[in-house]
Amino acid sequence: QKEVEQDPGPLSVPEGAIVSLNCTYSNSAFQYFMWYRQYSRKGPELLMYTYSSGNKEDGRFTAQVDKSSKYISLFIRDSQPSDSATYLCAMRKGRRALTFGSGTRLQVQP
Amino acid sequence: NAGVTQTPKFQVLKTGQSMTLQCAQDMNHNSMYWYRQDPGMGLRLIYYSASEGTTDKGEVPNGYNVSRLNKREFSLRLESAAPSQTSVYFCASSDGSPGQYYTDTQYFGPGTRLTVL
Repeated sequence: QKEVEQDPGPLSVPEGAIVSLNCTYSNSAFQYFMWYRQYSRKGPELLMYTYSSGNKEDGRFTAQVDKSSKYISLFIRDSQPSDSATYLCAMRKGRRALTFGSGTRLQVQP
Repeated sequence: NAGVTQTPKFQVLKTGQSMTLQCAQDMNHNSMYWYRQDPGMGLRLIYYSASEGTTDKGEVPNGYNVSRLNKREFSLRLESAAPSQTSVYFCASSDGSPGQYYTDTQYFGPGTRLTVL
């Protein structure tokens, strides 16, 4: 069983929709959580990070962490075609190693 | 400021051939990493270098070697390529300052697409 599970999608939504992307994890030692966005044939880029349970907002993006349920989410409000990408969750339990989810492919239809 | 650069962008090898993937960063980062990305598997850490002069194995190191040539450059070598090493390889770097690892952001290069026939 993978330490981090993420639905691969694809997830297709109309422009303007609210998108919810999720990851579950099995190891309670994970303490630091991130979301990366990866456009086709590009490297991942960091979107958001958080290290505590609760919500963190940045523009149209909200990251949510529920450590008691071992569940993290990324919400995208007013989704745009430019948000079409693969979204990877990542988390850290040790000094430097990140463990990534397999990624969810999102398509926002104009 | 180019960030993290990788060469080559694409490569096709035959089974048993060797090659070196090059990575360089211009952000004066201490730490560098090599990942591979396969469909449905996410990014998996091959090797990393916490600081110049040190290297450590990651999750999937078998069949690979690395060299931290200097602070800027971190290369990945496949000594005898196998079809199972067909993948997209990403190099990343981070500041890696002691005591800052919880907020240590990794910056990724554009990737090298490797096919082993």
